Amino acid sequence: RKEVEQDPGPFNVPEGATVAFNCTYSNSASQSFFWYRQDCRKEPKLLMSVYSSGNEDGRFTAQLNRASQYISLLIRDSKLSDSATYLCVVNSLMDNDMRFGAGTRLTVKP
Amino acid sequence: NAGVMQNPRHLVRRRGQEARLRCSPMKGHSHVYWYRQLPEEGLKFMVYLQKENIIDESGMPKERFSAEFPKEGPSILRIQQVVRGDSAAYFCASSPLGTGPGETQYFGPGTRLLVL
Repeated sequence: RKEVEQDPGPFNVPEGATVAFNCTYSNSASQSFFWYRQDCRKEPKLLMSVYSSGNEDGRFTAQLNRASQYISLLIRDSKLSDSATYLCVVNSLMDNDMRFGAGTRLTVKP
Repeated sequence: NAGVMQNPRHLVRRRGQEARLRCSPMKGHSHVYWYRQLPEEGLKFMVYLQKENIIDESGMPKERFSAEFPKEGPSILRIQQVVRGDSAAYFCASSPLGTGPGETQYFGPGTRLLVL
């Protein structure tokens, strides 16, 4: 089982749609959680951190369920510019590296 | 404040040659991480360094790969005797402190290595 698993995608949605991504992680010691966005052939960029209480940033909402060991990202009112690959990332205090999911590709169409 | 810088952006090598990838962290950051991204896969951790120290190299292949972060100058990821399977995008990230809860890593633009 992979340490971080994401919906395989791709997700193809029309502009204005709401889309949700899920991610599960296997290491219960994971302490911090992030969503990164990666455009084609570009470096990943931090989209948002994910807190236990859930957090929202404009059209983006991230939630964490520690009991079930999953993280979600909700994008409302999708824009064409949201088209990218979304990477789920978890980190543990036990080691120094971040574990990346394989990413979920989103394409928003006019 | 310049972000994380990597060079070269693209590197072509023939099998058996050496590849050297450079990474300059963000100003004020003393921690550097190297990741490899194979086609259609997520990023895989390779190595974590502080100045003059390798902290964690658990993701580094045992042979042909080495990394350093000298007191002065950029961090270097070195791949000796490259093989086709080394073709990938290599990303460097930096953080001001060590990775911990809430600590964010900032990524460079990556070096795309192609081995012919």
